[in-house]
Amino acid sequence: DVKVTQSSRYLVKRTGEKVFLECVQDMDHENMFWYRQDPGLGLRLIYFSYDVKMKEKGDIPEGYSVSREKKERFSLILESASTNQTSMYLCASSLRTGRYEQYFGPGTRLTVT
Amino acid sequence: SQQGEEDPQALSIQEGENATMNCSYKTSINNLQWYRQNSGRGLVHLILIRSNEREKHSGRLRVTLDTSKKSSSLLITASRAADTASYFCATAHRSGNTGKLIFGQGTTLQVKP
Repeated sequence: DVKVTQSSRYLVKRTGEKVFLECVQDMDHENMFWYRQDPGLGLRLIYFSYDVKMKEKGDIPEGYSVSREKKERFSLILESASTNQTSMYLCASSLRTGRYEQYFGPGTRLTVT
Repeated sequence: SQQGEEDPQALSIQEGENATMNCSYKTSINNLQWYRQNSGRGLVHLILIRSNEREKHSGRLRVTLDTSKKSSSLLITASRAADTASYFCATAHRSGNTGKLIFGQGTTLQVKP
């Protein structure tokens, strides 16, 4: 059974802290994605990676960076967390060709105080 | 950037009734997908329709695609309380796509027992 896991379901951090969100997939997918989801705004793509060490900015990359050192793991980094980064963060993965069906993790609800 | 727009934003029906959600998009697509999200969880893929298909069925789900109008609809027949969730359409662009999807803002469906 396909699986995408995220390191935390709930996270509370203080303003200015460096925050790491981890995502791991076991499907040997080339593509991995980080989205944030806010009420009324749907899913917005933060960063996309199509291969190890490769990344592409999404629609809202400001304030975020990513790391993909291994195929199965994609990390989202908030260099200096701010209150406007309080949100639900969703990780997904997919094959690079074919149907582009995405498999999602359970999400991390991050609160920055 | 958000390509998909969904209509209605919210829908409330009684158990046993049918639920119809609509999605419009702006540019040529390779395929269109529908996802479901239970409250506070990740998205789950429901059904995919390719650009050369007009209708697709999966259990109680029926998806139609009208590429001339750049629109799709998802019909859930004989709804159940367990169908209560948010539903998102997502489009895969036709050209140069390496796997990114563009998600709509979603329709929140409430099915009352």
